[in-house]
Amino acid sequence: GENVEQHPSTLSVQEGDSAVIKCTYSDSASNYFPWYKQELGKRPQLIIDIRSNVGEKKDQRIAVTLNKTAKHFSLHITETQPEDSAVYFCAPHYYGGSQGNLIFGKGTKLSVKP
Amino acid sequence: EAGVTQSPTHLIKTRGQQATLRCSPISGHTSVYWYQQALGLGLQFLLWYDEGEERNRGNFPPRFSGRQFPNYSSELNVNALELEDSALYLCASNPRRISGNTIYFGEGSWLTVV
Repeated sequence: GENVEQHPSTLSVQEGDSAVIKCTYSDSASNYFPWYKQELGKRPQLIIDIRSNVGEKKDQRIAVTLNKTAKHFSLHITETQPEDSAVYFCAPHYYGGSQGNLIFGKGTKLSVKP
Repeated sequence: EAGVTQSPTHLIKTRGQQATLRCSPISGHTSVYWYQQALGLGLQFLLWYDEGEERNRGNFPPRFSGRQFPNYSSELNVNALELEDSALYLCASNPRRISGNTIYFGEGSWLTVV
């Protein structure tokens, strides 16, 4: 099964700085790489995803980059704002066939200080 | 379009009792996932149902079980409750039949075992 590691486990930045969270996975068959954001007391929600045929995807202040050879992908948040404070989870997996158990990383708690 | 709905929102049980949690996926979604999230911790994969069958389960004892009904709603049962079962139980659904990759979470059910 997939072994997922996220780093760092906690990250504190000043408002306006950039934040980078890395997710490393073990299953080379993984072809879908999403990031979820969970604000305090709320449900996790997808914020950005990338498929294995794309190296980078950007959506306003957030971006995801993928290195399939090294089996890791990263979440980049630029110009951080206090509302970015949350726990972020990655969940790389193979989508198709009989597989589909979604294993999440342990999460990264991001704190943005005003 | 209604999102993933879970019930009850909160549930208090005593040790040794049984708990039943329910989940209704988004209309048209055939896959349902269950996760356990202990306070301040990550998302632990419990069970995956698709098309009425259990497809995979995480590293949890057999007293955690469930099922998926013909209308794709799902039920999670936890028997012989232990104090450490206290957690937020999240259900998520996915439109697997049309090869959707994104999963959508419900608000969760808080289970407290006293």
